[in-house]
Amino acid sequence: AQTVTQSQPEMSVQEAETVTLSCTYDTSESDYYLFWYKQPPSRQMILVIRQEAYKQQNATENRFSVNFQKAAKSFSLKISDSQLGDAAMYFCAYRSGGTYSGAGSYQLTFGKGTKLSVIP
Amino acid sequence: NAGVTQTPKFQVLKTGQSMTLQCAQDMNHEYMSWYRQDPGMGLRLIHYSVGAGITDQGEVPNGYNVSRSTTEDFPLRLLSAAPSQTSVYFCASSYSGQRLSGANVLTFGAGSRLTVL
Repeated sequence: AQTVTQSQPEMSVQEAETVTLSCTYDTSESDYYLFWYKQPPSRQMILVIRQEAYKQQNATENRFSVNFQKAAKSFSLKISDSQLGDAAMYFCAYRSGGTYSGAGSYQLTFGKGTKLSVIP
Repeated sequence: NAGVTQTPKFQVLKTGQSMTLQCAQDMNHEYMSWYRQDPGMGLRLIHYSVGAGITDQGEVPNGYNVSRSTTEDFPLRLLSAAPSQTSVYFCASSYSGQRLSGANVLTFGAGSRLTVL
């Protein structure tokens, strides 16, 4: 079974600065997907960014980028120019990919989350 | 396009009561699922379905029932509520297919906060 570990329960960053959230995972698969979800106080789960394991290029979405190290099984999220609206819980998640191997393949395995505070 | 709609948003139950959390999606997604979120635990899968008439258990299925009579609806039933079921519940859906794709990203509902006294 896959596991996802977020070793930083809480982080803080000054407004306009850069912060990196860590995520490591354990899997024996070679084809999979990784995601970062944001959960603001509204409780809504919002997809921030996704990465396909077969792609070597790191995904970027505006101020959000990832550092995907497949051999090290590491998937960190970098937030640049932090804004007050970035304050939220951030969850790293894993999902199997490749050839369809059953409905359970759609399951997301989540880390326990990192609470990010943004200091004005 | 409403996406994934969950009702109710908040509910308080007494131990032993039953209730149903409703989930509906209007995106014609084949795959639907229920997660629960507890402090310090992330989200854990309860049950899922890949189409009408097909359901299966996830990581934490005990105490919950599901059914899928239509593509749009996937209700979660608590038969006899227990304090351990106090949690925030999320319904999520996506397209499915023979080739899993990163494009098949889960769309989440807004969540339902359940308190069992």
